[in-house]
Amino acid sequence: QKEVEQDPGPLSVPEGAIVSLNCTYSNSAFQYFMWYRQYSRKGPELLMYTYSSGNKEDGRFTAQVDKSSKYISLFIRDSQPSDSATYLCAFSMKTSYDKVIFGPGTSLSVIP
Amino acid sequence: SAVISQKPSRDICQRGTSLTIQCQVDSQVTMMFWYRQQPGQSLTLIATANQGSEATYESGFVIDKFPISRPNLTFSTLTVSNMSPEDSSIYLCSVELYSRTGELFFGEGSRLTVL
Repeated sequence: QKEVEQDPGPLSVPEGAIVSLNCTYSNSAFQYFMWYRQYSRKGPELLMYTYSSGNKEDGRFTAQVDKSSKYISLFIRDSQPSDSATYLCAFSMKTSYDKVIFGPGTSLSVIP
Repeated sequence: SAVISQKPSRDICQRGTSLTIQCQVDSQVTMMFWYRQQPGQSLTLIATANQGSEATYESGFVIDKFPISRPNLTFSTLTVSNMSPEDSSIYLCSVELYSRTGELFFGEGSRLTVL
């Protein structure tokens, strides 16, 4: 079983749609759960960050973590063409310094 | 946040040659990381570079192939040695500003093509 799996893309939605992006993980030691956004030919940028189960909202974005199911999601409401990018889930243990593990990414296109 | 500058942004190289990628950060950071992103794939950590100590390499990556320097708290280099077409990839420098949070800031990457 891979350490991190992410819904395959690419995903294409009309402007204004609700987008759901999902990842599963196998390592129960992961404590920090992140979503990064990567525009074409750019480095990834941190979008959402949480360390507990439940929901965290930031504007049109909601990150959801279910530790019992080892499942995280990112929801985008009222999607915009500017949301077109690759979204990477990421995980870290951080009991001491530890590396960040990235999912393979889902490419999203929001069509005007 | 941090501003991270990488040079070169892209290069085309011949098989068997070596290329050094530079990473400059606008603030002092303890941890710097080098990632590789192969076409259509996610990020794979190559090594962690702490100032004043040898880099720590991940499984599958060795110092002879990817030597790293970290002379001070704002600068690092990654060399890709004896390149082959399989080394064609995007190489990304990243830093962690806030200790032990996993929040990474990335440069824009260096896109390397090996012929």
